[in-house]
Amino acid sequence: GAVVSQHPSRVICKSGTSVKIECRSLDFQATTMFWYRQFPKQSLMLMATSNEGSKATYEQGVEKDKFLINHASLTLSTLTVTSAHPEDSSFYICSARARGPTNEKLFFGSGTQLSVL
Amino acid sequence: QKEVEQNSGPLSVPEGAIASLNCTYSDRVSQSFFWYRQYSGKSPELIMSIYSNGDKEDGRFTAQLNKASQYVSLLIRDSQPSDSATYLCAEGGTDSWGKLQFGAGTQVVVTP
Repeated sequence: GAVVSQHPSRVICKSGTSVKIECRSLDFQATTMFWYRQFPKQSLMLMATSNEGSKATYEQGVEKDKFLINHASLTLSTLTVTSAHPEDSSFYICSARARGPTNEKLFFGSGTQLSVL
Repeated sequence: QKEVEQNSGPLSVPEGAIASLNCTYSDRVSQSFFWYRQYSGKSPELIMSIYSNGDKEDGRFTAQLNKASQYVSLLIRDSQPSDSATYLCAEGGTDSWGKLQFGAGTQVVVTP
């Protein structure tokens, strides 16, 4: 079946550094990618929606200059957490929308656990 | 602000029994609803999608949707210890397919 490869699975960084998370659709074209974050014991909160070749649309309260999203190709989207701080420590997950001949499907990446010291 | 509400649990269910999970949503125009299972530290796995009023069965799982009451439920029959997880209810966005609004999740614990 279709797979979304998300890397890294776990990253630990120092406060003030930037971290890039990649989501790659391996055998389909992802026209739209959604980025979520999940704090411990909480649900997934949508951060932004990105369409290939367009600027991402951010949800209310999500800083677009801090969370940079690039969706330059139909198989790759990246989320960069700039100047990360301990409060950015969270589980980040992407999901990719795939258009089929008769329906659409959604595939989740495996998630990235970010810990900022 | 669209909201999806679930009881956080934990819901303790004896092995072999039926687990019943409930979810309500605030957006009256929502047309698509999903149940996901999430194990700790993992990404969500789709269990069921439902779009029409009524019941939809898939193996041991049955989803029920009532749009008039803005209510969606999930039954897990013959619960197994491997069903112990957090179950997330999600409503599909009307402005972009695949843009999901998740509930906080219900933790299910199946006891042997």
